[in-house]
Amino acid sequence: QQPVQSPQAVILREGEDAVINCSSSKALYSVHWYRQKHGEAPVFLMILLKGGEQKGHDKISASFNEKKQQSSLYLTASQLSYSGTYFCGTERVRSGNTPLVFGKGTRLSVIA
Amino acid sequence: NAGVTQTPKFQVLKTGQSMTLQCAQDMNHEYMSWYRQDPGMGLRLIHYSVGAGITDQGEVPNGYNVSRSTTEDFPLRLLSAAPSQTSVYFCASRSTGSEQYFGPGTRLTVT
Repeated sequence: QQPVQSPQAVILREGEDAVINCSSSKALYSVHWYRQKHGEAPVFLMILLKGGEQKGHDKISASFNEKKQQSSLYLTASQLSYSGTYFCGTERVRSGNTPLVFGKGTRLSVIA
Repeated sequence: NAGVTQTPKFQVLKTGQSMTLQCAQDMNHEYMSWYRQDPGMGLRLIHYSVGAGITDQGEVPNGYNVSRSTTEDFPLRLLSAAPSQTSVYFCASRSTGSEQYFGPGTRLTVT
C-alpha cells in the first residue's frame, strides 16, 4: 500500500524553504527519502528508523513521528540543485520481511 | 563495487514477445526488488525477494515473473509483452535497515 505524499508539486525561489510530507495507514519500521532528477535513477537522501529520530544532511533534514506514521522532509534555503522529484519509501513494522514501498512523489522546482 | 547493474538500458518489443530484464548486485544484499515507473504513478513494486530462493509479489505483479537462484542476480521476465508494460523499470537492492541502491533503469517500449 503506497504511502501518501503531499504536496504533489511545489515551486520555490532560491533561498526559500519547503516541507514535503509522507504518511502511511500502516505501522512503519522505517522511512526512506530519495531524490530523482529527470532521466536518472533515484538517489538516497536519508533513512529514519522507528524511534522518532530526526536526521539532517546539509540543509535537508527529516523527522519521523511513529505515533502518527508520518514523516516530513525539510529543505531550507533551497538551491537550484534541489530541483527534482522527491519520493518517500516506507517499510512496515516487521512480522516478516517487508519491501520498500514508495509514494507517488513530490515534484520540486527551484527557480532563480 | 559496481553496485546494481541492469541490462539492457533500452528495449523495444512487439506485443506478444517475451524478454528478460537482467539485474545484478555485488554488495551481498539480501533484499532485491523490481519497480516500474510511469508518469504520475511514482515507483510501483512489481516483485521482490528477501533472499536466494525466496520471492513474493508486489503491487503490480501481473504479466511478470521473477526468480532468485543466487544472492547476486534477480531477473525479471515479461511473459507476453503488452503496450501497458511500456515503462521505465528499476531494480534495487538493500540490506535490512539500510539505504536502497537503484540500478540505472531499463526503458522499455512495447508497440
